[in-house]
Amino acid sequence: NAGVTQTPKFRVLKTGQSMTLLCAQDMNHEYMYWYRQDPGMGLRLIHYSVGEGTTAKGEVPDGYNVSRLKKQNFLLGLESAAPSQTSVYFCASSRRTDSEGAGELFFGEGSRLTVL
Amino acid sequence: GIQVEQSPPDLILQEGANSTLRCNFSDSVNNLQWFHQNPWGQLINLFYIPSGTKQNGRLSATTVATERYSLLYISSSQTTDSGVYFCAVLSGGYQKVTFGTGTKLQVIP
Repeated sequence: NAGVTQTPKFRVLKTGQSMTLLCAQDMNHEYMYWYRQDPGMGLRLIHYSVGEGTTAKGEVPDGYNVSRLKKQNFLLGLESAAPSQTSVYFCASSRRTDSEGAGELFFGEGSRLTVL
Repeated sequence: GIQVEQSPPDLILQEGANSTLRCNFSDSVNNLQWFHQNPWGQLINLFYIPSGTKQNGRLSATTVATERYSLLYISSSQTTDSGVYFCAVLSGGYQKVTFGTGTKLQVIP
């Protein structure tokens, strides 16, 4: 029972390079989220998705793109990485409740990204 | 957007002591969760508690949604309780989850 799996766990990039973080969940959840966490801070929402083929912006979407081509996967892309994007990235998923809200969130273990 | 504030920001406890962590939010919410982020960075689900009281071992939580706060109680603290405790609330069309600022807890032997 894997839950939420993120790959890769660690990555070092040079400024201007691109990369994609993959999040996969096996709980058949409708909603998926990407957060970033900077040292000594809480989690800030980058983008989220309420279903296959749909995405929406969170608090800090600039510099990131996302795609949800399959229900179980949510991809986070950095087209041109900047040092300000050095952070730990967390993916989460939840079911859709009867009132269309998000249920309990389950997190992956995080992906540590360093941009030099 | 909704504001979520946690207090205290930092807490140091002697092993065996009890503590209460607070989460205040600025608007009505549909759901609330408490998480523990351990020293290795993992986010562990503690409680999913939109209202009422729940208990799990030494931990319990109470949410009073009408008064816009939630409390997390830790009794007989252990060194393994160290880490950061976050509350997270559901807002913004019921799909967006916003995190609080966190309480950093250190339990010393």
